[in-house]
Amino acid sequence: TQLLEQSPQFLSIQEGENLTVYCNSSSVFSSLQWYRQEPGEGPVLLVTVVTGGEVKKLKRLTFQFGDARKDSSLHITAAQPGDTGLYLCAGVRDSNYQLIWGAGTKLIIKP
Amino acid sequence: GAGVSQTPSNKVTEKGKYVELRCDPISGHTALYWYRQSLGQGPEFLIYFQGTGAADDSGLPNDRFFAVRPEGSVSTLKIQRTERGDSAVYLCASSSGPTGPGELFFGEGSRLTVL
Repeated sequence: TQLLEQSPQFLSIQEGENLTVYCNSSSVFSSLQWYRQEPGEGPVLLVTVVTGGEVKKLKRLTFQFGDARKDSSLHITAAQPGDTGLYLCAGVRDSNYQLIWGAGTKLIIKP
Repeated sequence: GAGVSQTPSNKVTEKGKYVELRCDPISGHTALYWYRQSLGQGPEFLIYFQGTGAADDSGLPNDRFFAVRPEGSVSTLKIQRTERGDSAVYLCASSSGPTGPGELFFGEGSRLTVL
């Protein structure tokens, strides 16, 4: 059973479109991280959200942590081919060392 | 180097052979993690070191897998009697914080193929 469900699993859209990917769980997390991974490389941290309801913006990327700290979303505005990659969410429970990982959303932005 | 370094980047071996995968973390990072990632999946936790000791090895799939970090820096993941199902990308990550994972810095991974 996947503790963190990411949806969609795969998304292919045209450059300039907007998109949202989701990370959902029945568990509460003390914080949640979003990573992006490109082929042949390790994941790279994009953002950490800590407070329920928190919204963080990173240029065209907007991250939101659910009020109950069980879910999160990533919204990309005016997607560009450089946004292509595997987007992974990872939750931290009770501030321990363990990250609970989702299976990822593979995003392809076509020029 | 400035980042996490993993060697080899690619390893092809035959079923039943022994392999070692090496991870050189960012200097000064006390926490080190090994993950395994299959195609289209998120990282699967294997083992976590804090300093020289394995603080949690509950993710190791069976006793064919073992990891060491004798001096609290470089770590080696050892796999005995490899099986085809061991084929995956093995990722190493390090972080500076003992209190929660903070930001994990990943290496590029070692792709293991067992024929």
